[in-house]
Amino acid sequence: GIQVEQSPPDLILQEGANSTLRCNFSDSVNNLQWFHQNPWGQLINLFYIPSGTKQNGRLSATTVATERYSLLYISSSQTTDSGVYFCAVLNYGQNFVFGPGTRLSVLP
Amino acid sequence: DSGVTQTPKHLITATGQRVTLRCSPRSGDLSVYWYQQSLDQGLQFLIQYYNGEERAKGNILERFSAQQFPDLHSELNLSSLELGDSALYFCASSATGWPPLHFGNGTRLTVT
Repeated sequence: GIQVEQSPPDLILQEGANSTLRCNFSDSVNNLQWFHQNPWGQLINLFYIPSGTKQNGRLSATTVATERYSLLYISSSQTTDSGVYFCAVLNYGQNFVFGPGTRLSVLP
Repeated sequence: DSGVTQTPKHLITATGQRVTLRCSPRSGDLSVYWYQQSLDQGLQFLIQYYNGEERAKGNILERFSAQQFPDLHSELNLSSLELGDSALYFCASSATGWPPLHFGNGTRLTVT
């Protein structure tokens, strides 16, 4: 099955800093989502982005499916951005597979 | 609010017992997915239903079973519970059986 890697595993930022999270996958995919799991455990859908670029406020994401990676950009980070960021990918005939996540801590 | 409702939010039970977790998908969504998140295993796909039929199966133990009812809500039954079954269990739904998925807030199961 598809292997999903995320980097970095852990990230500590000062409030106001920018960051880039990366998701690499081992095979071609037709679907990709980014999620944020907040400190209360809720999984929040950030982007559905099988290809191209999308932006939502301070967050944006880019997926280059042909090169098997996706990037999540967080600008002007806030303490409420803390939590774990997961990417999840799906190829037809396979299950929706989650990466191990990037744990982000934003310090005030 | 994703529109996916899971009950109960918390569940504490003893080893050997049986529990049922319930999920109501977003209005109009036909597909339901179950995931298990434990500390050392990450988010593991258990099973997916589409319009009442099982569509895909992941790493679901034989002690676990699930079903999707005609009104599209789903239940995950966990039996002969072990300490290692303690985890956060998520339900997600999608309209078509393909992403995007929308997750509920999870049920936190503690087996003592």
